[in-house]
Amino acid sequence: DAGITQSPRHKVTETGTPVTLRCHQTENHRYMYWYRQDPGHGLRLIHYSYGVKDTDKGEVSDGYSVSRSKTEDFLLTLESATSSQTSVYFCAISGEATDTQYFGPGTRLTVL
Amino acid sequence: GEDVEQSLFLSVREGDSSVINCTYTDSSSTYLYWYKQEPGAGLQLLTYIFSNMDMKQDQRLTVLLNKKDKHLSLRIADTQTGDSAIYFCAGGKLIFGQGTELSVKP
Repeated sequence: DAGITQSPRHKVTETGTPVTLRCHQTENHRYMYWYRQDPGHGLRLIHYSYGVKDTDKGEVSDGYSVSRSKTEDFLLTLESATSSQTSVYFCAISGEATDTQYFGPGTRLTVL
Repeated sequence: GEDVEQSLFLSVREGDSSVINCTYTDSSSTYLYWYKQEPGAGLQLLTYIFSNMDMKQDQRLTVLLNKKDKHLSLRIADTQTGDSAIYFCAGGKLIFGQGTELSVKP
């Protein structure tokens, strides 16, 4: 398995609080991605990074920000969590944009 | 924008073949992928096909690609209960289908 970890694995928080999810990789891959998975929607891309300090928006980026200060870490921040952001969040990595993506185990976030 | 569509559910008997279908709109993808997701887990790459191929076989898995119709399928031969999972197809531009839940009954 590709070396990808996500933390925390589960989190329950209240509406309006900030939340940061962390993705850590040991593969030295250039690309890192954040997806959310919701019933009926499959996987939707939130943000991705193509290098340190290089990020871009995905399909559902509103309400989310990201940062990548090191190759191995990609952080996803919900500045003020809302109930609509209750979801399972997956991080993925790839060597290049057209390469296979390898996924982390996921973080289940519940916003009350 | 780009779109990938899959049927949501498929139920088969153990030992039968399963065929999971996917249609896509973006024809510029270099590769097309199939991922498997077991309950409570992340996605695992199952197989992939290069866009200039029509078919790829990998043990019990056969991938068929019809570029003209923009149709991708995954056939699982001799389906086992351990194959029960959600299967996602994905193309370039980081677009995934909704996933097909495969249920295998003994």
